[in-house]
Amino acid sequence: DGGITQSPKYLFRKEGQNVTLSCEQNLNHDAMYWYRQDPGQGLRLIYYSQIVNDFQKGDIAEGYSVSREKKESFPLTVTSAQKNPTAFYLCASSIASPLAGGPTDTQYFGPGTRLTVL
Amino acid sequence: AQSVAQPEDQVNVAEGNPLTVKCTYSVSGNPYLFWYVQYPNRGLQFLLKYITGDNLVKGSYGFEAEFNKSQTSFHLKKPSALVSDSALYFCAVRDAMDSNYQLIWGAGTKLIIKP
Repeated sequence: DGGITQSPKYLFRKEGQNVTLSCEQNLNHDAMYWYRQDPGQGLRLIYYSQIVNDFQKGDIAEGYSVSREKKESFPLTVTSAQKNPTAFYLCASSIASPLAGGPTDTQYFGPGTRLTVL
Repeated sequence: AQSVAQPEDQVNVAEGNPLTVKCTYSVSGNPYLFWYVQYPNRGLQFLLKYITGDNLVKGSYGFEAEFNKSQTSFHLKKPSALVSDSALYFCAVRDAMDSNYQLIWGAGTKLIIKP
């Protein structure tokens, strides 16, 4: 899992609540990503950020929000607008960003947060 | 459009036998290809990647993968399977010309190694 930490490991949410998942990296990576993993499916990209104070929507951004105020941190908020939030959430980071010009952008993953709606 | 296919949901192999996990891809330009492994309730671990050069790529834990441009494939292989290799394996691809650096992921293949 390298230098990427995610907390908490397990999270329970009641209907109508917003919850925030933490992701921190000490790898000095420019780019960070949030994925959602459901059983039997591949990873789906929620949001990504290639530089501080900038982020872009991925394929399934509705009902989620992010911020990137520090290079090391990329928290994900699951809002009450997300109708089916129960899933395993994975954060990743990579060296490459368009500004850095890196060609290989291997992504390194945190241990994940399992979110369950009660 | 970019895509990745892992045609087998599950692969069963006896311990000590060779294993292959299949991956095919579709991109417009040159591909960057990756294999990751995931153990239960854990994050993904990087195994190996192909960017350019030798078509046979060696990675972690004795795994290797062969890039075949004509067949648009990047199959993961290991000469002798271990029970500890049992896990979920993901293939991913990026078009080298794609400026947003996003990876396209396969659905995953569950590898079961039987003692």
